[in-house]
Amino acid sequence: AQSVAQPEDQVNVAEGNPLTVKCTYSVSGNPYLFWYVQYPNRGLQFLLKYITGDNLVKGSYGFEAEFNKSQTSFHLKKPSALVSDSALYFCAVRDTGFQKLVFGTGTRLLVSP
Amino acid sequence: DTAVSQTPKYLVTQMGNDKSIKCEQNLGHDTMYWYKQDSKKFLKIMFSYNNKELIINETVPNRFSPKSPDKAHLNLHINSLELGDSAVYFCASSREGRNTGELFFGEGSRLTVL
Repeated sequence: AQSVAQPEDQVNVAEGNPLTVKCTYSVSGNPYLFWYVQYPNRGLQFLLKYITGDNLVKGSYGFEAEFNKSQTSFHLKKPSALVSDSALYFCAVRDTGFQKLVFGTGTRLLVSP
Repeated sequence: DTAVSQTPKYLVTQMGNDKSIKCEQNLGHDTMYWYKQDSKKFLKIMFSYNNKELIINETVPNRFSPKSPDKAHLNLHINSLELGDSAVYFCASSREGRNTGELFFGEGSRLTVL
């Protein structure tokens, strides 16, 4: 079965600094990988996805993610963090043959002023 | 216009009661889902429907019964509620196709069972 792991429960970063939220995946076949963000008391919002093509994927709100096949990783990055980026971030993988996403356990990002 | 809307947003009820949550999407998507998010924020799929047909039914107690009257609506009925059913239930929808997978989520329905 496809799965993703988010090793960090929380990431703390100062505003203006670069941020990385880690995700590793375990799949059979080609991975379809996603990042979503959840603000307090809201539903999840799509940030970006990797299907094929360039390993560096650009998404919403200045976020990007780098697909690394050798390390089976799909880390989320942003060059300069904003306080408003503070939220819960989920990595997800599409299950082969099924129309469903399997989510990681989430990483809380806290950006301090 | 809200793309995926759920009602009610909050639901507080007693153990043993039966309750329903409704979901509607106006995106023209073929596939709809119910996800459950527990108190630790873990997200787990419960059901998925494609064009009114059930295609995913994870290991969920049969007290939970989804219904899709048409492809724009997916409701969730829960019988004999238990304390462990307390969670936030998210409805989502997506377009069919191998290169998609982007889900659009509703705002969630927070169920509290006392």
